Amino acid sequence: DSGVTQTPKHLITATGQRVTLRCSPRSGDLSVYWYQQSLDQGLQFLIQYYNGEERAKGNILERFSAQQFPDLHSELNLSSLELGDSALYFCASSVGTIGNQPQHFGDGTRLSIL
Amino acid sequence: AQKVTQAQTEISVVEKEDVTLDCVYETRDTTYYLFWYKQPPSGELVFLIRRNSFDEQNEISGRYSWNFQKSTSSFNFTITASQVVDSAVYFCALSEAVAVRETSGSRLTFGEGTQLTVNP
Repeated sequence: DSGVTQTPKHLITATGQRVTLRCSPRSGDLSVYWYQQSLDQGLQFLIQYYNGEERAKGNILERFSAQQFPDLHSELNLSSLELGDSALYFCASSVGTIGNQPQHFGDGTRLSIL
Repeated sequence: AQKVTQAQTEISVVEKEDVTLDCVYETRDTTYYLFWYKQPPSGELVFLIRRNSFDEQNEISGRYSWNFQKSTSSFNFTITASQVVDSAVYFCALSEAVAVRETSGSRLTFGEGTQLTVNP
């Protein structure tokens, strides 16, 4: 158990819809990261927050947004969903913001777009 | 831009064989960090090891060992006496520091992964 909690574990929805994925980091971790894992793109970094502030951004689509709340949990919002958004979405957390610390991953949210 | 290459897409071995997973990376940073993660069939990503670019000592942890060679930009992972429970996808990753305005962040760049199957 990594200590990172992601909900829900599975989401099935239709094209054009909007969903919210939730992540609670490990106790004491201030950084939260979001990754997308798909068959064609592999594991791709989306965005990082540190103590409520955005710190790094990857190839995150404009239809996607995220935030980190004062209690440090984070939400990833995906809107106007397309078939290609079907993927496994991981949240990870680390103590600080520098890359020398390992990121610990949650179990992921599997998103299926019908 | 950083890049991680795991040339072996799939490896199949018989239990008790030794197996080495290759990882080659590219980066312009002088200080960087390398990681290995394991993704078993259940899907979660499990952290295995971190290596700093300035520490080229090899590391052994039980049946696992890691060989970091800066001269060849490689960070290979060996499992000795493999077991069926080692069957998983293994990812090599490189940490990149990202400067945004006056603050800093980081992100992991992952390789494509190597599917290891250990047969009884």
